[in-house]
Amino acid sequence: DAKTTQPTSMDCAEGRAANLPCNHSTISGNEYVYWYRQIHSQGPQYIIHGLKNNETNEMASLIITEDRKSSTLILPHATLRDTAVYYCIVRVKAAGNKLTFGGGTRVLVKP
Amino acid sequence: NAGVTQTPKFRILKIGQSMTLQCTQDMNHNYMYWYRQDPGMGLKLIYYSVGAGITDKGEVPNGYNVSRSTTEDFPLRLELAAPSQTSVYFCASSYQGSTDTQYFGPGTRLTVL
Repeated sequence: DAKTTQPTSMDCAEGRAANLPCNHSTISGNEYVYWYRQIHSQGPQYIIHGLKNNETNEMASLIITEDRKSSTLILPHATLRDTAVYYCIVRVKAAGNKLTFGGGTRVLVKP
Repeated sequence: NAGVTQTPKFRILKIGQSMTLQCTQDMNHNYMYWYRQDPGMGLKLIYYSVGAGITDKGEVPNGYNVSRSTTEDFPLRLELAAPSQTSVYFCASSYQGSTDTQYFGPGTRLTVL
């Protein structure tokens, strides 16, 4: 699985969009970009994933650059409950394939 | 659906004791996983299973054993607890299909003294 690089931490104002960057310059053609988050003391929660097209669901949007070497997770209107550690994971899409969690980005949403 | 449930939520063990961490899912998922998370770190895969009767090692299997006699249950066994096994343990499951989203349980916080 390709290695990812994320900022260690970032703050965001409540109600504003939160843009979380992720670098994955060694990504392979068959590897997807996944985002999970972990709210304090809870199990990780799936957010979104994509291959090369931008994706949107009820939680977030995922923007992947054309060369696929980086991506951005966008939380459109951050709330206090979005305070969590966000993990960007690059892996082949296959059931049974493990998730490799790096350090993630610690996001603090402030009122 | 309850999703993925884990018991107990918390446990303190003495060195050398044994215990079983329970994990059950009611989503009829084929795949199940055990991860551990040390303080301030990401998750590491201990064992996983692709179906009843089939298990395989992950990144950090030493000191643990698993079994998968049913689709629903995937217990994790610690035989001789060591302080290095102090961690939070998460069980997860996923479906063998076009989507492989992993669903996690709430975790078991284990302290070995």
